[in-house]
Amino acid sequence: QVQLVESGGGLVKPGGSLRLSCAASGFTFSDYYMSWIRQAPGKGLEWVSYISSSGSTIYYADSVKGRFTISRDNAKNSLYLQMNSLRAEDTAVYYCARDQVVTHEFDYWGQGTLVTVSS
Amino acid sequence: QSALTQPASVSGSPGQSITISCTGTSSDVGSYNLVSWYQQHPGKAPKLMIYEVSKRPSGVSNRFSGSKSGNTASLTISGLQAEDEADYYCCSYAGSSTFRRVFGGGTKLTVL
Repeated sequence: QVQLVESGGGLVKPGGSLRLSCAASGFTFSDYYMSWIRQAPGKGLEWVSYISSSGSTIYYADSVKGRFTISRDNAKNSLYLQMNSLRAEDTAVYYCARDQVVTHEFDYWGQGTLVTVSS
Repeated sequence: QSALTQPASVSGSPGQSITISCTGTSSDVGSYNLVSWYQQHPGKAPKLMIYEVSKRPSGVSNRFSGSKSGNTASLTISGLQAEDEADYYCCSYAGSSTFRRVFGGGTKLTVL
């Protein structure tokens, strides 16, 4: 069965950095596009970033462009999100999700990892 | 402010039907039949309920259905059950230039 397990969240000061990981299993990871989606406390969902199956195509939401970097290691079945210059408004639960490239839905989600940006 | 507009809350009694609307623009919902809907119970990850406007993934009850007219998509849940009480989010593809996806602000469904 498809499993996505995020890790790496925690408390970080404004301006700091954090690297999130997402371990995938139960499917051929290298065949699928992946995305990061976040949810601020008590708020709705916000798509953050997307990476193609090979890693050659990457997109970011305007809110994180220039600060966040998405990457993947297909040999390790892992997805990453490097977050730099963190702001209070980046505080959220971060989900990794399998992304269907043709029909653009997120068909499987991890359980999420909480990132708190506070001094 | 979310890109897609959903009502903040809807409610219904067990056995009834409810509909949640999701209004976008001609740049997203109106241009693509690529609207998806997600159910989220408190403290849990979202779950895909509908994709491509009206298709149901394997395992999702046929009590859930989707439709679209112009810039507005809708999710209908028939035969409401207590376990349907959750937050529901719509999502639309918004163009190949950025592969951006836009979400609605979410709707809290209360089963009375």
